[in-house]
Amino acid sequence: EAQVTQNPRYLITVTGKKLTVTCSQNMNHEYMSWYRQDPGLGLRQIYYSMNVEVTDKGDVPEGYKVSRKEKRNFPLILESPSPNQTSLYFCASSEGSGNTIYFGEGSWLTVV
Amino acid sequence: LAKTTQPISMDSYEGQEVNITCSHNNIATNDYITWYQQFPSQGPRFIIQGYKTKVTNEVASLFIPADRKSSTLSLPRVSLSDTAVYYCLVGEYSGYALNFGKGTSLLVTP
Repeated sequence: EAQVTQNPRYLITVTGKKLTVTCSQNMNHEYMSWYRQDPGLGLRQIYYSMNVEVTDKGDVPEGYKVSRKEKRNFPLILESPSPNQTSLYFCASSEGSGNTIYFGEGSWLTVV
Repeated sequence: LAKTTQPISMDSYEGQEVNITCSHNNIATNDYITWYQQFPSQGPRFIIQGYKTKVTNEVASLFIPADRKSSTLSLPRVSLSDTAVYYCLVGEYSGYALNFGKGTSLLVTP
């Protein structure tokens, strides 16, 4: 079954404690990206990757890092989380131009 | 990427046809128009995509006029389960640098 898998699905952490949200896709897609969703602000892109070792900033990259060492994985790293990063995060992947974007189930992150 | 404008919210009764229009005045020649649906706490999912004229699938229809500066997603005979946020995306590349915006929140009531 084609899917994008994110972990953890739910996490409560404290300010400043580094955390990583993993994302894996089993569709051999070249394109992957991360979004955050906040009430009233819609879906905003954090980072995206066009291929292995190729990443670029989206609309709201501050406070986040990503890496793309393998085609299937695209982890989101919060080096020093702050409360304003409390949000619902989605990982997504796509085969390429004009193709459907597949989203993960989302990761609820709370930073206290 | 083309900027899109769509209504923030819409209300409908069950069984009615719902039309959601998206404006994209600076759409480029190679841009496709794609609509996604998102239920609360779930990731968006693809509904329909088109380039020009009309596209229909088992879920919806997409109407695109000749100038392609707008598009209309049509949901026939909506049910309560169609309550969701609908996003209009315009762009050649679907995998990166995409702005989903706030979408249109559709509420269907009995």
